[in-house]
Amino acid sequence: EPEVTQTPSHQVTQMGQEVILRCVPISNHLYFYWYRQILGQKVEFLVSFYNNEISEKSEIFDDQFSVERPDGSNFTLKIRSTKLEDSAMYFCASKGRVRAYNEQFFGPGTRLTVL
Amino acid sequence: GQQLNQSPQSMFIQEGEDVSMNCTSSSIFNTWLWYKQEPGEGPVLLIALYKAGELTSNGRLTAQFGITRKDSFLNISASIPSDVGIYFCAGDYNQGGKLIFGQGTELSVKP
Repeated sequence: EPEVTQTPSHQVTQMGQEVILRCVPISNHLYFYWYRQILGQKVEFLVSFYNNEISEKSEIFDDQFSVERPDGSNFTLKIRSTKLEDSAMYFCASKGRVRAYNEQFFGPGTRLTVL
Repeated sequence: GQQLNQSPQSMFIQEGEDVSMNCTSSSIFNTWLWYKQEPGEGPVLLIALYKAGELTSNGRLTAQFGITRKDSFLNISASIPSDVGIYFCAGDYNQGGKLIFGQGTELSVKP
């Protein structure tokens, strides 16, 4: 069964460093998302991406964040200068071709620890 | 912003018991989704609901999209130990856009 994959599973970084989190969405999906989950809390939306551009972003997704689909398979989230409060699980999700059917499939996540 | 209130926060039940959890919102949602998350993993989609009043089953799981479009419930019948995890409701009010998640219901099942 097709699934969303994410790498790395765990990333430890120093405050101020740049990190890139990688995702491979389900192959025929067209809509892509990043969410994050701070330990013990609910899942929060960061950004959605369709047709090579950002569709929507949350207040969390400030100038330090960017997303890219560099090729036909990868979808990346970059944090330019990490802060302690960026420590969280980051989930990539993807959705199929029909916008109204919002069944988003999540990857296993990347645990980001900022020291 | 849009918020979902999910209850209960946690449940401790005996194997074989039925479970019910629900989500409510002050706003109308177009879609309700139910996910299960196990420790260290991503949310796994259980059920998707698209029409007010819709009742959908997936094995021992049954979920309903409230008539007012402001609530949804999930029932698990005859619980088993592998049902343990955190169950999240999620709603979409923007026709296919971002999902708003509830706070989660942590389910513990005693064998």
